[in-house]
Amino acid sequence: DQQVKQNSPSLSVQEGRISILNCDYTNSMFDYFLWYKKYPAEGPTFLISISSIKDKNEDGRFTVFLNKSAKHLSLHIVPSQPGDSAVYFCAAINNAGNNRKLIWGLGTSLAVNP
Amino acid sequence: ETGVTQTPRHLVMGMTNKKSLKCEQHLGHNAMYWYKQSAKKPLELMFVYSLEERVENNSVPSRFSPECPNSSHLFLHLHTLQPEDSALYLCASSRRTPRVPTYNEQFFGPGTRLTVL
Repeated sequence: DQQVKQNSPSLSVQEGRISILNCDYTNSMFDYFLWYKKYPAEGPTFLISISSIKDKNEDGRFTVFLNKSAKHLSLHIVPSQPGDSAVYFCAAINNAGNNRKLIWGLGTSLAVNP
Repeated sequence: ETGVTQTPRHLVMGMTNKKSLKCEQHLGHNAMYWYKQSAKKPLELMFVYSLEERVENNSVPSRFSPECPNSSHLFLHLHTLQPEDSALYLCASSRRTPRVPTYNEQFFGPGTRLTVL
């Protein structure tokens, strides 16, 4: 049973527009969430994170929103650029628990078209 | 370039072969990880080493044998693998907090694409 779900396997966006990648989780004990970005033939690269005590974290063109009541987070990229085309992974962790490991989603492949 | 390198990048092996995957990190981290990424499955954590001591082994078959001789190097020794073990094997590293590894922000290598015939 997947605890972290990225229900959209792929997303296509026009350059300059907003990209919104979604992630849902089932474990209410998760207290830290991360987004990783992966280009082909490379390992995932950390992008941005958010603690459960916040509902928004912004870093340049990237903003992550957290809705704890809905167990949902989203990554917004504004404006989207062709270089943002990659697979984006959502991951979550329960830092207070005994089994402190990152739980990963399956990823969403983003294509930003010029 | 993330500061984590993996060799080889591609490996094809028969079921009776013995091979090793190598990972090296140049970030001064002291926790290292092996992950497996199979098609249509989330990243699966296999092993965690913190200060060269194995702190986690997630029910991985014994045909996978990790080794961490120092905080900069991590190996995954492979022996009598099965075709279903074909996958991308990723190494990662992170800082270690005083008590447990910092799982939060991990730096990944490019991976080794393994094919078992």
